[in-house]
Amino acid sequence: AQTVTQSQPEMSVQEAETVTLSCTYDTSESDYYLFWYKQPPSRQMILVIRQEAYKQQNATENRFSVNFQKAAKSFSLKISDSQLGDAAMYFCAYRTLRTNFGNEKLTFGTGTRLTIIP
Amino acid sequence: GAVVSQHPSWVICKSGTSVKIECRSLDFQATTMFWYRQFPKQSLMLMATSNEGSKATYEQGVEKDKFLINHASLTLSTLTVTSAHPEDSSFYICSAKIPYKIQGGQETQYFGPGTRLLVL
Repeated sequence: AQTVTQSQPEMSVQEAETVTLSCTYDTSESDYYLFWYKQPPSRQMILVIRQEAYKQQNATENRFSVNFQKAAKSFSLKISDSQLGDAAMYFCAYRTLRTNFGNEKLTFGTGTRLTIIP
Repeated sequence: GAVVSQHPSWVICKSGTSVKIECRSLDFQATTMFWYRQFPKQSLMLMATSNEGSKATYEQGVEKDKFLINHASLTLSTLTVTSAHPEDSSFYICSAKIPYKIQGGQETQYFGPGTRLLVL
C-alpha cells in the first residue's frame, strides 16, 4: 500500500518570503500522480498543483512550484512571494496512474499548517 | 476548475435519526465520486468510491449499512448516515473526478465544500 508522509505539522513564513513544504511517499509503482491540495479555514479543498511521475520537468503554477525527486520519492512544494491568502492546511496526495476501478483513490498525508506572518 | 457542490453545508440532528448529504458536479458529468471523512485537525480519510449506476466500493472498516451511498446519476451522489450517533459527528467531503476524455488523460479530483455533521 502507498503511504504519504508530511513531517512538518506546522510551518510559518514572513509575507513575501519563500517557504518549502516537504512530502515523501512510498510506492512500488513507477507511474503515478502527485498532488498538493490547499485547505483554507473555509475547509474547501483546492488543487494547488499536480505532477505526473513520468514527467521529469517539475510542475509550476504561478508562485507555486514543486521539486519532484522520483528516486528519493520526495515531492516538496515551494511557495514564492508568500501572501496572506496562502495561509492554510496543505496536503500532499498520491494516486496511482492505473485507471482500473478501485485504484483511483487519493492517499493523503497528514498535512502541514502554514501560517503567514504579516 | 470544475465545480462541485454539497448540501447541506452543516446539519445538526438527534441521535438515531438519518441524515442525507448530497454531492453534485455542476459543470461536468462525473462517473466517479468519492466520499471522505475528516476529523478535526486530521487528514482526509476515504470512506468509499462510487461509480454511477453501480454499487459503491467501501474502504476497510467503513460500515456499508451505516453509510449508504447512492450514485444514481452522472451529476449526483448521496451519502446517507443511518441511525446517526455522536461518534458519527464529523466533516464529510465529497469529490468528483473529471472523466479521462475531457481532461485528455489528466486525473484530478475536485472537492465539494464539505458538510459538517453534529449528532446530539
